[in-house]
Amino acid sequence: AQSVAQPEDQVNVAEGNPLTVKCTYSVSGNPYLFWYVQYPNRGLQFLLKYITGDNLVKGSYGFEAEFNKSQTSFHLKKPSALVSDSALYFCAVAGGTSYGKLTFGQGTILTVHP
Amino acid sequence: EAGVVQSPRYKIIEKKQPVAFWCNPISGHNTLYWYLQNLGQGPELLIRYENEEAVDDSQLPKDRFSAERLKGVDSTLKIQPAELGDSAVYLCASSPDRGFAGELFFGEGSRLTVL
Repeated sequence: AQSVAQPEDQVNVAEGNPLTVKCTYSVSGNPYLFWYVQYPNRGLQFLLKYITGDNLVKGSYGFEAEFNKSQTSFHLKKPSALVSDSALYFCAVAGGTSYGKLTFGQGTILTVHP
Repeated sequence: EAGVVQSPRYKIIEKKQPVAFWCNPISGHNTLYWYLQNLGQGPELLIRYENEEAVDDSQLPKDRFSAERLKGVDSTLKIQPAELGDSAVYLCASSPDRGFAGELFFGEGSRLTVL
């Protein structure tokens, strides 16, 4: 079975500082990896994805993520955080025998302080 | 382009009552998903449709939950009877792709409270 772990329930960072939201995954075969963001009382919004190719993926709103196969990780990063980045972030994985099934992590609350 | 539309946004019912949620996916999106999101947790797949066919309903509690996607467009998710533990947000999503090269587009969700 495929799974995603987001080891931090919350991440706090000061505005202007770099941020990292961690994600590790488990899946048989090659993974398809995604990050989604959820603002209060809203649906999830797609940020970025890794399917194949360059391990560093760039996405919306200045976010990027690095795929590390040996560590089975897909950490979300941003060089300079904004207060408006404060939200709930979900990592998700698909692949292997679970064709078409996207499995989400528990989510990480990101708070950016002014 | 209109996004995924869900209704109602909020629903409060007494336990043992029925409830239904409706979803209109993005035009042209053949794949439709219903996810359950409990407070403080990530979404969990309930059912996935390819056009009008339910291709993955392994996590749908079939004793009380049912879903349909007539004509391969709109979809309805029903709970009958509702239990206290069903209180959650029910998310609908659609995708133009059968696989996962593409992303899912989510609606704003239907928040159910069972009293």
